[in-house]
Amino acid sequence: AQTVTQSQPEMSVQEAETVTLSCTYDTSESNYYLFWYKQPPSRQMILVIRQEAYKQQNATENRFSVNFQKAAKSFSLKISDSQLGDTAMYFCAFSQGAQKLVFGQGTRLTINP
Amino acid sequence: GAVVSQHPSRVICKSGTSVKIECRSLDFQATTMFWYRQFPKKSLMLMATSNEGSKATYEQGVEKDKFLINHASLTLSTLTVTSAHPEDSSFYICSAKWAQNTEAFFGQGTRLTVV
Repeated sequence: AQTVTQSQPEMSVQEAETVTLSCTYDTSESNYYLFWYKQPPSRQMILVIRQEAYKQQNATENRFSVNFQKAAKSFSLKISDSQLGDTAMYFCAFSQGAQKLVFGQGTRLTINP
Repeated sequence: GAVVSQHPSRVICKSGTSVKIECRSLDFQATTMFWYRQFPKKSLMLMATSNEGSKATYEQGVEKDKFLINHASLTLSTLTVTSAHPEDSSFYICSAKWAQNTEAFFGQGTRLTVV
């Protein structure tokens, strides 16, 4: 079974700083997808970024980028120029195509003014 | 992105009664829907996966007779918590996908309180 591990329960940085959230996963599959989801206080799950395992290039979405290390089974999220609105729970997730998402434990990120 | 609407957002029910939560895909046909449960400050725990027109597949440890899932159409799935007890109080979230699409779209969630 696939597992996803987020080893940082909480993180806190100052506004405008850069922060990196860690995620590791375990799978024997070669084709899969990795995601970072954001859950703000409203509790609405929002997709931040997605990475296809077959792509070597790291995904980027504006201030958000990932460092995908397939051999190490590592998938970290970097948030540049952090903003107060980035304060949220962040979940790393794994899926195989149209199958279910497996979530990590989550990292509570606080951006301080 | 695609929109998934979950209703109600909050519900309080008495112990022993049943409560139904709806999950609708508003602008796409959801061939697969997922139901999650989330405890405070915890991750999402998958309860079951439902495909339109088929019986739901429940995760290990989830009581099928207590959490009834119906996916009768391509735009609607329902979760019914039967004979609810205070320990069923939680935040329930649905998500939906179409065909082989890899991205899941989430509803706003339902906070259930059983008193």
